[in-house]
Amino acid sequence: EIVLTQSPGTLSLSPGERATLSCRASQSVSSSYLAWYQQKPGQAPRLLIYGASSRATGIPDRFSGSGSGTDFTLTISRLEPEDFAVYYCQQYGSSPPGFGPGTKVDIK
Amino acid sequence: QVQLVESGGGLVKPGGSLRLSCAASGFSFSDYYMSWIRQAPGQGLEWVSYISTSGNTIHYADSVKGRFTISRDNAKNSVYLQMNSLRAEDTAVYYCARAPHAFDIWGQGTMVTVSS
Repeated sequence: EIVLTQSPGTLSLSPGERATLSCRASQSVSSSYLAWYQQKPGQAPRLLIYGASSRATGIPDRFSGSGSGTDFTLTISRLEPEDFAVYYCQQYGSSPPGFGPGTKVDIK
Repeated sequence: QVQLVESGGGLVKPGGSLRLSCAASGFSFSDYYMSWIRQAPGQGLEWVSYISTSGNTIHYADSVKGRFTISRDNAKNSVYLQMNSLRAEDTAVYYCARAPHAFDIWGQGTMVTVSS
């Protein structure tokens, strides 16, 4: 089973700043089958990135994903007020398709 | 529009059973794997189960194996989760999600509370 860790646990930033979120896997993620989700309080998660770097439909280009193997990054180039939320990474290259514990991006 | 709507959640006693349903619309349901994912109050996301397009391939998380059963009815555009021998630690919001690769469409979730 692949275990995902995310860092930092909380990221305190101001609107307009750049956010860099890390996701590390305990084993190599097959074919870069790594996704990122955004979740706001009381809402279902929303897919942002799949295949490590492909933006999902309707996702603004300020969100970008990169990485391969065991190290992946989600970058938000300039934080908008609506981007303050919890972000989860998830691998779907092997079963079980697990999630990381999340990174909370809050307003500084 | 593309939509998933869960139902069937509620309050159940430890050891009890519950059946969740997820109705899909706006896409060709039979072409997609489907999954259930849960989130305990204040906690992260936990994948529970997935089922292939035909229902021939099914996987479960170890935490629910032997107690939960996933199924689907392509004629009714629905996926189900039968939950037996429920425990307090099964208390969570349960989401169904479409899984062409990652989970690209999610329902709004249904709350399951296991308590005496």
